[in-house]
Amino acid sequence: GAGVSQSPSNKVTEKGKDVELRCDPISGHTALYWYRQSLGQGLEFLIYFQGNSAPDKSGLPSDRFSAERTGGSVSTLTIQRTQQEDSAVYLCASSLRVGQGNQPQHFGDGTRLSIL
Amino acid sequence: AQSVTQLDSQVPVFEEAPVELRCNYSSSVSVYLFWYVQYPNQGLQLLLKYLSGSTLVESINGFEAEFNKSQTSFHLRKPSVHISDTAEYFCAVTRMDSSYKLIFGSGTRLLVRP
Repeated sequence: GAGVSQSPSNKVTEKGKDVELRCDPISGHTALYWYRQSLGQGLEFLIYFQGNSAPDKSGLPSDRFSAERTGGSVSTLTIQRTQQEDSAVYLCASSLRVGQGNQPQHFGDGTRLSIL
Repeated sequence: AQSVTQLDSQVPVFEEAPVELRCNYSSSVSVYLFWYVQYPNQGLQLLLKYLSGSTLVESINGFEAEFNKSQTSFHLRKPSVHISDTAEYFCAVTRMDSSYKLIFGSGTRLLVRP
């Protein structure tokens, strides 16, 4: 499709398990972003990629969170040893390039993660 | 640091009535401003943005927002709402000098009643 694609759309897992969330950006978009949407914290920036590099990882909540991007396209967000406070909707966005406000971020529908 | 305040968590309004959703921001540097809309179980869609120039910006579906630098506000308005406008609306800012991180407000749920 033409938009940002995220999978799975829903993920339920037990506390302590590892999870991988996938994001497929719009073709040709060099910038990719991860955000988290939770009841307590609202919408928070996690990390962004320019190409395969992640210049700003400051939003990652802990060292249990990591992300990578390969081939300048698909990105995966990995959460190790999940905790109940990790339950949230994880949103991915992409834009043509970083650093220009007139290049809007286009969002996927998110992955709803529930930790039992 | 930047912050965005949306004072109204929910705004109920009757169909065809006007509505204003309030947004105030705080920043020590110049920012770009955005309104995003989120329908149930969907991601965020850009509604409109202010980058520079005219302080009044409009969307294709009848919404408009006005940037007021002195009051650090970017309120969203629509003169006549429809049932289909029921959604959550988020105001956001990003620094002009490093515009990659969107800082969001807590959102306002617009509930349009028949």
